[in-house]
Parts: sequence; structure tokens; C-alpha cells
Amino acid sequence: QKEVEQNSGPLSVPEGAIASLNCTYSDRVSQSFFWYRQYSGKSPELIMSIYSNGDKEDGRFTAQLNKASQYVSLLIRDSQPSDSATYLCAVNMIAGGYNKLIFGAGTRLAVHP
Amino acid sequence: DVKVTQSSRYLVKRTGEKVFLECVQDMDHENMFWYRQDPGLGLRLIYFSYDVKMKEKGDIPEGYSVSREKKERFSLILESASTNQTSMYLCASRLVAEKLFFGSGTQLSVL
Repeated sequence: QKEVEQNSGPLSVPEGAIASLNCTYSDRVSQSFFWYRQYSGKSPELIMSIYSNGDKEDGRFTAQLNKASQYVSLLIRDSQPSDSATYLCAVNMIAGGYNKLIFGAGTRLAVHP
Repeated sequence: DVKVTQSSRYLVKRTGEKVFLECVQDMDHENMFWYRQDPGLGLRLIYFSYDVKMKEKGDIPEGYSVSREKKERFSLILESASTNQTSMYLCASRLVAEKLFFGSGTQLSVL
């Protein structure tokens, strides 16, 4: 089992719709969770971080965390063509005595006009 | 703003060459990381460092080495470049267990 799993997509949504991106992780004791956006040919940039159960909102973005289900999601409201990118879920885990940030393979989002 | 600077955006090297990729961060972060990213494979951790002169192997260290002589600088070395090391290389830094800040990446082509 992969440590952080995401559906690779592509997830295609019409402009103005809600895009829902999902991520599951294997380590029950993980405490820090991050969503990164990566445009083609560019490096990842942080969109959201979440540390406690529930929802965290920032503009059009909402991160949701459910530690009991080991599940973290990202909702993008009023999706725009400029949101078309790959979204990476990252989970902080203790491995080999070190804090490591483990990335999922990413979900490609395509927002069409 | 945190700045993570990678020395080259694009690099073309020949098989067998020794290649140095440099990374500098300006926020006094303890942790620094080197990833490579290939289509369909996501981000894979090559090496990381949690302190000066400290280094640990990541998931795919074979064919690579690193150096961290100063806190702000973390170098990735390809001892003898091979074509299967053609990839996007990303350096990142952070405070312990916090969010990661990435450099702009180096697209390395080994011919």
C-alpha cells in the first residue's frame, strides 16, 4: 500500500463548478497535512495546510481532514481555467526516526470553459 | 518570503560527467531536501539533511550523493551522470515538520 494515495485523474470540471480532490494516507499518527498546486513545468506551491479535524477555508479553497478515516480532501469552489494544474497531497510522517513529508502522485485537474 | 534558489533552470550534460546541482535557502531552515520528479512517478525523495554536515538517504539515493557544509546550502552530486538521471530536480527546505518551500527546479538532460 502506498503511503499517500491520490486518484491520478484527470478530473475534468466545468468552469464555475466545485472541484473535489481526495487523498488517503496510511500513517494513523500523522499530524500535518498539505496541499500543493503544480503547474506544468513549474515547482509545487503551497495552497493549504491543515492540522486538526474538520474544515479549513481560505478564499475559494477548503481543506477537509478526517483523521479517523485517514482522509484529507481539497475543495475548489467556483473553479476557473487557471486552476487547471496537478494537485499534490503531502502528509508529514515519522519514518526511520525522521519527520518526512510524503507526497502522493498528484491529481491532474482540468477546468474547461 | 522564503527563497529557495537553485543554480540552474536547465542543464544539459553528457553521460559519465560529474554534475553538481546547487541549492541555497535564505530562511535559516534546518531541513533541506532533494527530490526528482518524473511523469507518472510523482515526487521521489533522493536525499535529505536535517542539519549541517548531516545527510540521510531518501527513497532513491543510488547514483547520487549530497553535501551540506553550510546550513543554507545543500548540493546534489551525480558522480557519473547516466541517461536515466534525466529528470526535473527539485530542492526544498523547511523548519522541522512544517510546510515545504520549493526552488524553481532544474531540468537536467543527460545525453
